[in-house]
Amino acid sequence: NAGVMQNPRHLVRRRGQEARLRCSPVKGHSHVYWYRQLPEEGLKFMVYLQKENIIDESGMPKERFSAEFPKEGPSILRIQQVVRGDSAAYFCASSPDGGTTGELFFGEGSRLTVL
Amino acid sequence: SQQGEEDPQALSIQEGENATMNCSYKTSINNLQWYRQNSGRGLVHLILIRSNEREKHSGRLRVTLDTSKKSSSLLITASRAADTASYFCATGNTGGFKTIFGAGTRLFVKA
Repeated sequence: NAGVMQNPRHLVRRRGQEARLRCSPVKGHSHVYWYRQLPEEGLKFMVYLQKENIIDESGMPKERFSAEFPKEGPSILRIQQVVRGDSAAYFCASSPDGGTTGELFFGEGSRLTVL
Repeated sequence: SQQGEEDPQALSIQEGENATMNCSYKTSINNLQWYRQNSGRGLVHLILIRSNEREKHSGRLRVTLDTSKKSSSLLITASRAADTASYFCATGNTGGFKTIFGAGTRLFVKA
């Protein structure tokens, strides 16, 4: 059984470019979470999605950041016009039940470096 | 602000010793989870304790939960060098969807 798959694992972008991070959840999981982690820090919640719906995006900056989880295909975290402060590891997690009763399954993360 | 706060921030012990990490949280919870993160890797779920449970064991791990004090502890017994990692507590909120993570405890186990 494949776990959560994230790609790319490493992404380098210049300031002003766009970054697209993809996440395929565990097969059968319909709940996806995105977290951001700065070096030597914990994970900061960004957004929670179910298929075709954004449930909670309270942790995501209102500008330049967007997320989707279409009916078919992976979840996408999109960062437009990246700035150096966007450099971080972005982790995707999935769960079968919204996370309130069970564990989250994490991918290996996508590490974004903005030059 | 983060829901959970781990203590200590860093812990260095000798192989074979026990390691204890603590987590405090602020609001009511449905469950509390502990995760491990090796350097440069994703998080791995270790153990989940529900709000109506007080203690749980899994191998060399022992977790306690005190909802009156809004705190939890993770005990790793007979530590090994391979236990060197960051450990995070995370809370699942009652009726909510977000799992919120603390800043983590960095554990160093010296061989």
